[in-house]
Amino acid sequence: QKEVEQDPGPLSVPEGAIVSLNCTYSNSAFQYFMWYRQYSRKGPELLMYTYSSGNKEDGRFTAQVDKSSKYISLFIRDSQPSDSATYLCAMIISSNTGKLIFGQGTTLQVKP
Amino acid sequence: NAGVTQTPKFQVLKTGQSMTLQCAQDMNHNSMYWYRQDPGMGLRLIYYSASEGTTDKGEVPNGYNVSRLNKREFSLRLESAAPSQTSVYFCASSDRGEAFFGQGTRLTVV
Repeated sequence: QKEVEQDPGPLSVPEGAIVSLNCTYSNSAFQYFMWYRQYSRKGPELLMYTYSSGNKEDGRFTAQVDKSSKYISLFIRDSQPSDSATYLCAMIISSNTGKLIFGQGTTLQVKP
Repeated sequence: NAGVTQTPKFQVLKTGQSMTLQCAQDMNHNSMYWYRQDPGMGLRLIYYSASEGTTDKGEVPNGYNVSRLNKREFSLRLESAAPSQTSVYFCASSDRGEAFFGQGTRLTVV
C-alpha cells in the first residue's frame, strides 16, 4: 500500500464549478501537508502549505486537513480554464528533514 | 534568481551506458531530492539528502546513486542505464517542506 493515495482522475468540470481534490494517507506521523500544481511539461509549483488540522484559504483555493481521518482536500472555487493542470498532494513528517512524499496526482480539465 | 537548475534537459542513452544528472540550487536549502515521474505514477522519490554529507534512499533507489557534493549541488548517477529508467527526472530543494523544482530532465533509454 502506498503511503499517500490520490485518485488520478481525469476530472473534467465546466468553468465556474467547484472542484474537490482529495488524498488519503496511512502514516499518522505526517505533520506538514502541501498541494502542488503542475502544468504540462513543467515542474510542480507549490500552491498551498498547511500544518495543522483545519482549513486554510488563499483566494479561490481552500486546503483542508483532517488528521484524525488521515484525509486532506483541496477545493477550487469558480474554476477557470487556466486551472487545468495536474494537482499533487504531498506530505512530510518533519519540516527540516525527511522524505517529502507525493500522491499520484489528479489531472483536472476545466472546460470553457 | 535561478532557483533550482537541472542539466541536461533532454538525453537519449543506449542500454548499459552511464550518465550523471546535475542539480544545483541557490536558495541555501538544506534538503534536496531526486524524483522520477512516469505516466499515472506521480512523483516517486529516488533519493533525498536532508543536509550536506547525508543521503537516504527513497521509494525507488535501485539502479541509481547520488552524491551531495556540497550544500548547493546534488547529482544523480545511472551506472548502467536500462529501458525501465526512461522517465522524466526532477530535482527539488526544500525549506521546511516547501519544495522548489527544477524544469526536469527527459531521459530516454533505448
